[in-house]
Amino acid sequence: SAVISQKPSRDICQRGTSLTIQCQVDSQVTMMFWYRQQPGQSLTLIATANQGSEATYESGFVIDKFPISRPNLTFSTLTVSNMSPEDSSIYLCSGGQGKDTIYFGEGSWLTVV
Amino acid sequence: GENVEQHPSTLSVQEGDSAVIKCTYSDSASNYFPWYKQELGKRPQLIIDIRSNVGEKKDQRIAVTLNKTAKHFSLHITETQPEDSAVYFCAAVAPNTGNQFYFGTGTSLTVIP
Repeated sequence: SAVISQKPSRDICQRGTSLTIQCQVDSQVTMMFWYRQQPGQSLTLIATANQGSEATYESGFVIDKFPISRPNLTFSTLTVSNMSPEDSSIYLCSGGQGKDTIYFGEGSWLTVV
Repeated sequence: GENVEQHPSTLSVQEGDSAVIKCTYSDSASNYFPWYKQELGKRPQLIIDIRSNVGEKKDQRIAVTLNKTAKHFSLHITETQPEDSAVYFCAAVAPNTGNQFYFGTGTSLTVIP
């Protein structure tokens, strides 16, 4: 079965620091996506990670705060920059290829203190 | 783009009764419909999913039904137990969006012993 892994699974971060989350899939996918789940909320799309071009951000999310890399078709990173307690959330990635290849990560739980 | 609506937002049932959560979607191209269970303080976990070429899928006490014509799908939990208490999220995934996940707003299920 398809495998996707996220690192770290959980972290406690100091206010003002930045943290990079990694998402690795075991086969090439055209599209990768990053989501955020704030406490008590549903999951919201942050951006679409495009290989070879800049990420496409949803309304309310900006590149300076959430820089994304997509160096190849199996890997992406999301950085949460200059963190504040409001950034305490679960961050998840997903990827897809064609009709049948769908990945959804287990999530990275960040707590900012 | 896809729009997923989920109802009800909260649901209380007596232990042993059945619970049903319903979701509707707007994009007829969506072909994958997962359900996630999120217990308090934990990350969302996939509990069951269904693809558009199937009308129903069961796994012990949980089942999902899909009506492609009406564009709705439902989660059914029978013989509910207190450990079923959690927030449940539905999602719709369409290949024409690169397999982006579109999530419902969540249902908080409480099973009363």
